[in-house]
Amino acid sequence: DGGITQSPKYLFRKEGQNVTLSCEQNLNHDAMYWYRQDPGQGLRLIYYSQIVNDFQKGDIAEGYSVSREKKESFPLTVTSAQKNPTAFYLCASSIDGSGYEQFFGPGTRLTVL
Amino acid sequence: GNSVTQMEGPVTLSEEAFLTINCTYTATGYPSLFWYVQYPGEGLQLLLKATKADDKGSNKGFEATYRKETTSFHLEKGSVQVSDSAVYFCALILNSGNTPLVFGKGTRLSVIA
Repeated sequence: DGGITQSPKYLFRKEGQNVTLSCEQNLNHDAMYWYRQDPGQGLRLIYYSQIVNDFQKGDIAEGYSVSREKKESFPLTVTSAQKNPTAFYLCASSIDGSGYEQFFGPGTRLTVL
Repeated sequence: GNSVTQMEGPVTLSEEAFLTINCTYTATGYPSLFWYVQYPGEGLQLLLKATKADDKGSNKGFEATYRKETTSFHLEKGSVQVSDSAVYFCALILNSGNTPLVFGKGTRLSVIA
């Protein structure tokens, strides 16, 4: 079964701690993306990667970091520098970065206590 | 720049009513257009798409026509059901240039029996 998996579905962290959200895809897609969604809001792009070992900042990259060491994996770290990290995080992938639709994972809801 | 504007929600309809959600766009190049749907607590699913002017995307009774002259991609359904209650996102991606999807802010639809 091809698709995108995100884990965990719910994540809790204490203020001041870093936390890493997992995103894995077996669709053989080159491009991967991370979005943040706040209640009643649209999607805001955090980071994206169009190829292994390369990534670009999106609109709201401050306080986040990513890596793309493998084609199928694009983990997102929410650092303690992110002032308001409680949100719903969505990962997506596409064949490449040009003209193709994105496929989304089920999301991770992060709550900072 | 590239942007998508869709009608503010929430939209509340009775079952079997006609649905229109307006979407207009601006693009520096030639885009493909998409509608995504998000059910509560889930990721986004691609609902339909159109890749060139005058194309009509359709799926599950929903339709949208790519209108280059009015830069629009309005979503319509002739008879909504309670199960259509969700948030709908209009989005565009340029067909060249390796830029990410650009999303509208989403429109929440509630269908009541």
